[in-house]
Amino acid sequence: AQSVTQLDSQVPVFEEAPVELRCNYSSSVSVYLFWYVQYPNQGLQLLLKYLSGSTLVESINGFEAEFNKSQTSFHLRKPSVHISDTAEYFCAVKGSQGNLIFGKGTKLSVKP
Amino acid sequence: DTGVSQDPRHKITKRGQNVTFRCDPISEHNRLYWYRQTLGQGPEFLTYFQNEAQLEKSRLLSDRFSAERPKGSFSTLEIQRTEQGDSAMYLCASSWLNRPAGELFFGEGSRLTVL
Repeated sequence: AQSVTQLDSQVPVFEEAPVELRCNYSSSVSVYLFWYVQYPNQGLQLLLKYLSGSTLVESINGFEAEFNKSQTSFHLRKPSVHISDTAEYFCAVKGSQGNLIFGKGTKLSVKP
Repeated sequence: DTGVSQDPRHKITKRGQNVTFRCDPISEHNRLYWYRQTLGQGPEFLTYFQNEAQLEKSRLLSDRFSAERPKGSFSTLEIQRTEQGDSAMYLCASSWLNRPAGELFFGEGSRLTVL
């Protein structure tokens, strides 16, 4: 069975500092991994995804994540965060039925 | 834009009442998913449809919950005899069957508060 563990429920960070949000997964089938972001009172938006190929994937707003098969991880990183990055971030793995299995989320709080 | 839309966005009801949520997926998508999200938790899978067929139901979906997708387009999720524990955000998502590794596209959710 697939599962996702997000190791940090909250991450406070100052503006322009780097950040890493950790995600570990468990899967017995082909691994497809996703990061979604949820801003207050909004739905989930896809941030980036790993399906195959290069293990480093990037989003349009400066986030990147690296698929590490040996460590079963898919950590999300950004070298310099902005106030507008304050949101909740969810890591997910594709389930056998095509659904997504989510972690519990990490609340990123960027302070000025 | 024809993204996933959900209605209503907010619903407050008294315990014991029935509520129904509607989801309109992206028109070309043949898979539709329902999730529930409670405070401090990630979205939890409830059920999904492939066209009009309901193919899987989570153990979270008690007998008081029923979902339909009668014509393979929009879907409804009904909760009968609501309980306070049903208070949550109900999320709908859709995807293409022909892209099994692809992402799910989510609506903005329907927030239920049971008093």
